[in-house]
Amino acid sequence: KNEVEQSPQNLTAQEGEFITINCSYSVGISALHWLQQHPGGGIVSLFMLSSGKKKHGRLIATINIQEKHSSLHITASHPRDSAVYICAVRSLKDNDMRFGAGTRLTVKP
Amino acid sequence: DAGVIQSPRHEVTEMGQEVTLRCKPISGHDYLFWYRQTMMRGLELLIYFNNNVPIDDSGMPEDRFSAKMPNASFSTLKIQPSEPRDSAVYFCASRGDGELFFGEGSRLTVL
Repeated sequence: KNEVEQSPQNLTAQEGEFITINCSYSVGISALHWLQQHPGGGIVSLFMLSSGKKKHGRLIATINIQEKHSSLHITASHPRDSAVYICAVRSLKDNDMRFGAGTRLTVKP
Repeated sequence: DAGVIQSPRHEVTEMGQEVTLRCKPISGHDYLFWYRQTMMRGLELLIYFNNNVPIDDSGMPEDRFSAKMPNASFSTLKIQPSEPRDSAVYFCASRGDGELFFGEGSRLTVL
């Protein structure tokens, strides 16, 4: 079993819809990152969380440390949000990063 | 700052050749990471450095892979000899107080 599980693997939405991507992990962590990888391949860090909730524009990320779960929400989705979203955690034990397999989001106009 | 700079962006080589990938982290960042991304395995951490010192290289696939960080502004990932299964996108990332910043990646194709 992977230490970081994301769901769904693939997601197709209509423009304007509210999107939720989930991440569950099984290791103790010091931080969780949400990454965005566009079709061109570049990777951008959207959020780094260790507790609570963060908001940046239409993006919201939450984390529940007790439940070892994080969600990434996109409000009023737009075709330019189409990308692969990757959840990554930094392990408390060895400070290494562990990655989810990614969620491929397609937002149709 | 120009961000994390990687070179080359694309490399096509023949099996058995030596490949060297380069990375310049963001100035002031004390962590540098090398990742490999393939369709089959997704993103994998290969090795990371803290203050130029390799901390964990357990992700390096085998002895054909080596990484160095001779100073705070430069790191290399070398594959010698390269094999077709090494074909992937190799990302370098750096981190200061928390946020990760990725380079554009180096796409390696080994024929």
